[in-house]
Amino acid sequence: AQSVAQPEDQVNVAEGNPLTVKCTYSVSGNPYLFWYVQYPNRGLQFLLKYITGDNLVKGSYGFEAEFNKSQTSFHLKKPSALVSDSALYFCAVRDQIKAAGNKLTFGGGTRVLVKP
Amino acid sequence: NAGVMQNPRHLVRRRGQEARLRCSPMKGHSHVYWYRQLPEEGLKFMVYLQKENIIDESGMPKERFSAEFPKEGPSILRIQQVVRGDSAAYFCASSFRQGNSYNEQFFGPGTRLTVL
Repeated sequence: AQSVAQPEDQVNVAEGNPLTVKCTYSVSGNPYLFWYVQYPNRGLQFLLKYITGDNLVKGSYGFEAEFNKSQTSFHLKKPSALVSDSALYFCAVRDQIKAAGNKLTFGGGTRVLVKP
Repeated sequence: NAGVMQNPRHLVRRRGQEARLRCSPMKGHSHVYWYRQLPEEGLKFMVYLQKENIIDESGMPKERFSAEFPKEGPSILRIQQVVRGDSAAYFCASSFRQGNSYNEQFFGPGTRLTVL
């Protein structure tokens, strides 16, 4: 079975400060990992993914994430947060083993509030 | 290239009525996924379909819910005899062919179902 944990319901950060949103996962095999962002009353927008290769993945809007296999983590980071980054962020995982199918398992989400 | 389209965006039904939610995948995408998001929660996988085939319905409730993706036309998620607990946002996602590599899922704007 695959699962994702986002331990923080909300993260508050001042504009211009670094932003980190935490994510840990559990899979039977190797993971495909994703970050999505959701703005109010909107669908999910894809930010970035880890499939294989470099542990540091760069994505949209200045976001990046670091895959850490030993800690089974995939934390989302942005060096300098903007007020417009305020949204709901979801981490998702899919196990690479074929038997897991193609479904994504999402974390519960972390609300980010960037204050001016 | 238009994204994933869902309609209606908002749907209000009374208890016992039927709800039909439609999803048109991105052009060139032949894989469709349905997820449900309850208020203040993450997305939960419901069903994965390819044209004319249900591949994985492990997340679908056993009764009242059905999904199809016909050869022509959009994918339909159908909920019969709706109850208040069905009130949620229903998101559709699509992806390119799978093959031996994984392609990210692109999400539609969602249909927000309210059951009175």
